Amino acid sequence: ELKVEQNPLFLSMQEGKNYTIYCNYSTTSDRLYWYRQDPGKSLESLFVLLSNGAVKQEGRLMASLDTKARLSTLHITAAVHDLSATYFCAVDRGYGGATNKLIFGTGTLLAVQP
Amino acid sequence: KAGVTQTPRYLIKTRGQQVTLSCSPISGHRSVSWYQQTPGQGLQFLFEYFSETQRNKGNFPGRFSGRQFSNSRSEMNVSTLELGDSALYLCASSFSGGVQETQYFGPGTRLLVL
Repeated sequence: ELKVEQNPLFLSMQEGKNYTIYCNYSTTSDRLYWYRQDPGKSLESLFVLLSNGAVKQEGRLMASLDTKARLSTLHITAAVHDLSATYFCAVDRGYGGATNKLIFGTGTLLAVQP
Repeated sequence: KAGVTQTPRYLIKTRGQQVTLSCSPISGHRSVSWYQQTPGQGLQFLFEYFSETQRNKGNFPGRFSGRQFSNSRSEMNVSTLELGDSALYLCASSFSGGVQETQYFGPGTRLLVL
């Protein structure tokens, strides 16, 4: 059974600092997604990573995928308060070429302090 | 383009009752997936529908069921509600569920079972 683990579960960081969230998964997959969730809100798609070595960047966030290590990272550069949210990684386990069966990690609650 | 909509947004039921939740995908999207989010179990996949057919299914009891209509709108039904069914139910849509597609999540229906 596919398991997706994130660490840390909670991250308190100061504005301006850098940090990385890690996402490990237990079985082979070439498709990994990162989402953001604000309190009481739905999920917002951040990145879709589809191949080994994929790297995507948007603003202060950069995501990468190493399928051989079964590891994805979400790197935060020079954090600002607006990045405070819960971040989820998810691996797709759809069958028959179909997707949309996402197995989510536990989430990382990020709190950026001024 | 309007986003994914879900109705109702909030619902209170008592044990033993049944409930039906509705999801309208983004116009043109044919794949709809449902997820349950609870503090204890996190985000869990329920099922996915495409062209009125269930294409993927998670590990939930038969009390959880769904369907999709010809206009791609989807409903999920939970019968004989239990306290543990209290959760945020999210639906997500994508064009066809292809590997490069992003799933867009709706605002969710928050269900409280008393």
